[in-house]
Amino acid sequence: KAGVTQTPRYLIKTRGQQVTLSCSPISGHRSVSWYQQTPGQGLQFLFEYFSETQRNKGNFPGRFSGRQFSNSRSEMNVSTLELGDSALYLCASSFVAGGRAGELFFGEGSRLTVL
Amino acid sequence: AQSVTQLGSHVSVSEGALVLLRCNYSSSVPPYLFWYVQYPNQGLQLLLKYTSAATLVKGINGFEAEFKKSETSFHLTKPSAHMSDAAEYFCAVSAFTGGGNKLTFGTGTQLKVEL
Repeated sequence: KAGVTQTPRYLIKTRGQQVTLSCSPISGHRSVSWYQQTPGQGLQFLFEYFSETQRNKGNFPGRFSGRQFSNSRSEMNVSTLELGDSALYLCASSFVAGGRAGELFFGEGSRLTVL
Repeated sequence: AQSVTQLGSHVSVSEGALVLLRCNYSSSVPPYLFWYVQYPNQGLQLLLKYTSAATLVKGINGFEAEFKKSETSFHLTKPSAHMSDAAEYFCAVSAFTGGGNKLTFGTGTQLKVEL
């Protein structure tokens, strides 16, 4: 069974640009979450999608957005990039959507560098 | 609100020695607790989880953790460290937010294993 796939793995952007990251969850998983990981702030929750609907959102500015498609694949977008957006962006999928089992399966991440 | 505190951002042990990584949690509801491991340039891999069943939880790679409600702790242990255990370890608590699936992570503990 294939794991969570994130693309691209590495990318470099300049300030002011925008970026789109993609995540394909494990087959059958309908919940997709996104996390930002930085040395200073650690792992921070961005948002979660289930059945194409955003269920939870972390404390990030509106420049961070996401969506989920009918096949459960998800994208996140960051507009007007800032230097502080440099981070590893991790996608995680989960089969148990409604309850609290919360076992997340993570992809290897997309490492974004903003120059 | 839920939170976890990991005591010690860096832990160093000798190969063959006991590994003890500390995690204390705060939760207004019965928590679900997790330990994840992250190797360099990779995503997070679930080691084990506590979901209100047995208080002693066994995970992969010889790791285990004990849920102690009286101490609000969920420390991770392994009897004998191996060089391959060198990685960063994250404790996390599940936050049930209206059906959503969100993890709140600790700041991580970098484990170094020395010969």
